This record gives sequence, structure tokens and C-alpha cells, in this order.
Amino acid sequence: NAGVTQTPKFRILKIGQSMTLQCTQDMNHNYMYWYRQDPGMGLKLIYYSVGAGITDKGEVPNGYNVSRSTTEDFPLRLELAAPSQTSVYFCASSYGTVLGELFFGEGSRLTVL
Amino acid sequence: QQPVQSPQAVILREGEDAVINCSSSKALYSVHWYRQKHGEAPVFLMILLKGGEQKGHEKISASFNEKKQQSSLYLTASQLSYSGTYFCGTLSGAGSYQLTFGKGTKLSVIP
Repeated sequence: NAGVTQTPKFRILKIGQSMTLQCTQDMNHNYMYWYRQDPGMGLKLIYYSVGAGITDKGEVPNGYNVSRSTTEDFPLRLELAAPSQTSVYFCASSYGTVLGELFFGEGSRLTVL
Repeated sequence: QQPVQSPQAVILREGEDAVINCSSSKALYSVHWYRQKHGEAPVFLMILLKGGEQKGHEKISASFNEKKQQSSLYLTASQLSYSGTYFCGTLSGAGSYQLTFGKGTKLSVIP
């Protein structure tokens, strides 16, 4: 049982480049989330989705876009990468509402130079 | 608004107890606790709902003081495996989807 799978695990980008972080879950969870984690700052919510076709902004959405065409997939798009987007990104999912347990992927470490 | 955790870091010897606190300036509906080991993803410990208390793990329990908007995580007879960074996450309402995490408390258990 894979759970939540993120790719890539590591990536280095140049300023201005774009990329997509992939997230797939095989637990049939309706709710999915993208967080970023900076050293000593905890986890900040970027975007979330309550089901296929429905997405909404979190606390720090600027510079990112998401889509949710299927229950399983929730990719995060970075447009025009900036050094401030250097971070570790975690995708998570939950069965019911956010009141349930969040299952996290292993994270994607992104460096923008 | 981000909840405040204290202490920021603590070092324990095996078998000692620890308390980690989480406080918010906003009224809370629920408090969520997660543990993250270095280089790994956060792992769920437990949720405390307004009006209730829930235990998620043996020897790790928590309380939720609704009047003070505070939660405390109690680790009893600590083991080496308890080492990691503990995060509390808070929800301000039942309909909210935005779990707001604190900055974390780094716990180190030494032999």
C-alpha cells in the first residue's frame, strides 16, 4: 500500500524556470493538501482540495497553482521559480474532513538558484 | 494566526517525562499533534476536539483547555524513539480546512 507518493524527491531549479510537483494517493481520499516547510517555521498550507474539480487557496498560495482532475492526483505547479520558493514541499491527504488524520508524502526538496 | 509552541527544544534522558505546550490567541475548535523525525514526513499522533480529549498513543496523551485556548502534549517515560520535532496544528472552526501549524518543539531523548 503506497499511501501518498510525491515526485521528484529532489530538484534544483534556476530562477524563472517552471516545474510541477506530482502527488498521487491510492487511499481514495477526497481531501488533499500541499504544504511547504521552511526551517524552524512549521508547515504552511499552500492549496487544498476537497474533491476532484474543487481547489482553494491556503495561507501562502502566491507563485503556485494546482489542479485536481481525479481523486488520486493533486499536482502543484510552480511558475517562474524564485529563491523564496526554496523549501521542502509535502503533499497530504485525509479521508474525511481535515478533522481526520493527515497522511503525508515523503516530501520534495526544491532549491531555486 | 500561527499557534505558539513551548519549549522550542528540550533534551531528556530515557525514562524522563516531558510536556509540550501549544497556545493560540484565537478560539479553537480542535488541536492536532504530529511528530516528525529528521528527514521524514510528519506522522499523526492525535486530535483533541472542543469538549473532549482523545488519546492516540500509549504513554503519549494530551489535554485541551478550551477557555485558555491551550493544549499540552504529555510524554511519559520517554523512549529513544520519541525523539523528533512535535508540531501542533489548530483549527478555528468545524468548517475550516486550514490546519495552522506551530513552529514545532524539538525533542531529543538521550540514553
